[in-house]
Amino acid sequence: DAGVTQSPTHLIKTRGQQVTLRCSPKSGHDTVSWYQQALGQGPQFIFQYYEEEERQRGNFPDRFSGHQFPNYSSELTVHALSLGDSALYLCASSLPYRETYGYTFGSGTRLTVV
Amino acid sequence: AQKVTQAQTEISVVEKEDVTLDCVYETRDTTYYLFWYKQPPSGELVFLIRRNSFDEQNEISGRYSWNFQKSTSSFNFTITASQVVDSAVYFCALSESPGAQKLVFGQGTRLTINP
Repeated sequence: DAGVTQSPTHLIKTRGQQVTLRCSPKSGHDTVSWYQQALGQGPQFIFQYYEEEERQRGNFPDRFSGHQFPNYSSELTVHALSLGDSALYLCASSLPYRETYGYTFGSGTRLTVV
Repeated sequence: AQKVTQAQTEISVVEKEDVTLDCVYETRDTTYYLFWYKQPPSGELVFLIRRNSFDEQNEISGRYSWNFQKSTSSFNFTITASQVVDSAVYFCALSESPGAQKLVFGQGTRLTINP
């Protein structure tokens, strides 16, 4: 049973560019959440998608946008990249509003902005 | 606002020693959920335990145990007879619901077990 799959694993971008990260949820999961983890820090919640809509959002600027497809996979796009966007981006999938034991996380995409 | 504090940035012990990772949380909610996750070098967060605010019973799972004390807003994690494979970054997290709502993470504790 495949877990959460993220692509690419590593990425280097230049300031001002935009980037799109991809996530395929665990089989049977229909909710996808994105987290940003700066080096040496804990993950911070960006947003969550369910039924192709953004259901919750953390304290991130509008430069961070997302999308969920009918097959539940998701994309995170960051526009106008800045050096501070360098981080590990984690995708997590789950079943919504159930007594679940948290999320299933992917291994992340390491984004470096130069 | 919710907040989780893990005051220990790094801990290093020799194999077979017991080690406790501290977690202190802040929330105004009367119902909340606490989690511990392990992050190995591969990057993914591995779920270890979830606790709800109305169940203060301590839990033991093999070499792992958790001590939840509402009076001190703490949810500490102890590894008994540590092993090299326990080396990882450990995160404590807080959520206002049991389901797939956002998690507020602490800054993590890097645990190194030396042979």
